Amino acid sequence: AQSVTQLDSHVSVSEGTPVLLRCNYSSSYSPSLFWYVQHPNKGLQLLLKYTSAATLVKGINGFEAEFKKSETSFHLTKPSAHMSDAAEYFCVVRHGSSNTGKLIFGQGTTLQVKP
Amino acid sequence: EAGVAQSPRYKIIEKRQSVAFWCNPISGHATLYWYQQILGQGPKLLIQFQNNGVVDDSQLPKDRFSAERLKGVDSTLKIQPAKLEDSAVYLCASSLVAGQGYGYTFGSGTRLTVV
Repeated sequence: AQSVTQLDSHVSVSEGTPVLLRCNYSSSYSPSLFWYVQHPNKGLQLLLKYTSAATLVKGINGFEAEFKKSETSFHLTKPSAHMSDAAEYFCVVRHGSSNTGKLIFGQGTTLQVKP
Repeated sequence: EAGVAQSPRYKIIEKRQSVAFWCNPISGHATLYWYQQILGQGPKLLIQFQNNGVVDDSQLPKDRFSAERLKGVDSTLKIQPAKLEDSAVYLCASSLVAGQGYGYTFGSGTRLTVV
């Protein structure tokens, strides 16, 4: 069965410094992986997705993630944090065949950005 | 394109009462999902529809929760009777095809508080 583990429940960075949110996945076959962001009182927004194409995936707002099969990781990074990046981030794996495709979410990482 | 619409945005009920949530997916999206997000956790799938048929309801507490998607468009999720532990945000999502690489669009959710 597929699953994801977000290694940090809370990450705090200063504005302008790099962001690293860590995610490990478990999958019996080549997974589809996603990162979603959730701002307070707002809906989930897709940041980026990996679907067995390029291992380095670029997303919106300067975020990117690298799929590393050898490490079963899909960490999310951004070179320079902005105050507006403060939010909850979810690493997600898609489970099932092409006819089902339900999403399985990690527990989430709260990103705090300090001025 | 219009997003996934959900109503109401907020609902407060007493335990043992009933409540219903409504979701209107993006036009043409065949797959519809209901997720439950308890505070501090990642969303958990409750039920998945493909058109008007149920694909996965393995995590739906069927003794109190029910959902339907008549005509393969709008969907309603009902809880009867509600328990305190049902307090959560209920998210609806839709996708064009439940397949590899296709994204999902989430609604803003309904925040339910059971007192």
